[in-house]
Amino acid sequence: QQQVKQSPQSLIVQKGGISIINCAYENTAFDYFPWYQQFPGKGPALLIAIRPDVSEKKEGRFTISFNKSAKQFSLHIMDSQPGDSATYFCAATINAGGTSYGKLTFGQGTILTVHP
Amino acid sequence: ETGVTQSPTHLIKTRGQQVTLRCSSQSGHNTVSWYQQALGQGPQFIFQYYREEENGRGNFPPRFSGLQFPNYSSELNVNALELDDSALYLCASTSGLGSGAFFGQGTRLTVV
Repeated sequence: QQQVKQSPQSLIVQKGGISIINCAYENTAFDYFPWYQQFPGKGPALLIAIRPDVSEKKEGRFTISFNKSAKQFSLHIMDSQPGDSATYFCAATINAGGTSYGKLTFGQGTILTVHP
Repeated sequence: ETGVTQSPTHLIKTRGQQVTLRCSSQSGHNTVSWYQQALGQGPQFIFQYYREEENGRGNFPPRFSGLQFPNYSSELNVNALELDDSALYLCASTSGLGSGAFFGQGTRLTVV
């Protein structure tokens, strides 16, 4: 019940295209859903996050879409660039706030490759 | 403002040995969480420290232990190392004010 399932495992897109990564969860108590970007040899970097009271959040080229009834959320990267090539992780936590932001359940990751 | 820093960056240990990893939290962050990331996997929550006490633990055995100091920095200790403990160990700090969790660059531990 604590799992977050992420797909696809890997994704190849052309420069300028849209990259879409999906995540699904079972635990309806999850109420904070961040996305992280990780380059080889580096720690994950927080990209964007959403709470279940909104269906979409956009920051620059990155958009999270959230479907509470389906228990699914996705990351859309518009105008994908070669510099976006990295591993992306979705995550979730319960009763977000205070210390809970640090108690994350992560998906398995998606390796994104953007070809020039 | 300094980010989350971890030391050392790489470490090689022999099976059965003990290891200590260190983390300095981001300025103003009073909570530190530790994660284990095996190759090709997502990070797995080990435990969290808040106000110098353990504040939640994932599915890891007692040979994984930690400390938090008054300046909010933290240590992760692993006793009786096993080959499967080889992984990237990540530290994340949070302020509790809604800004999310911020990770360090990690310590790559290899157990041989």
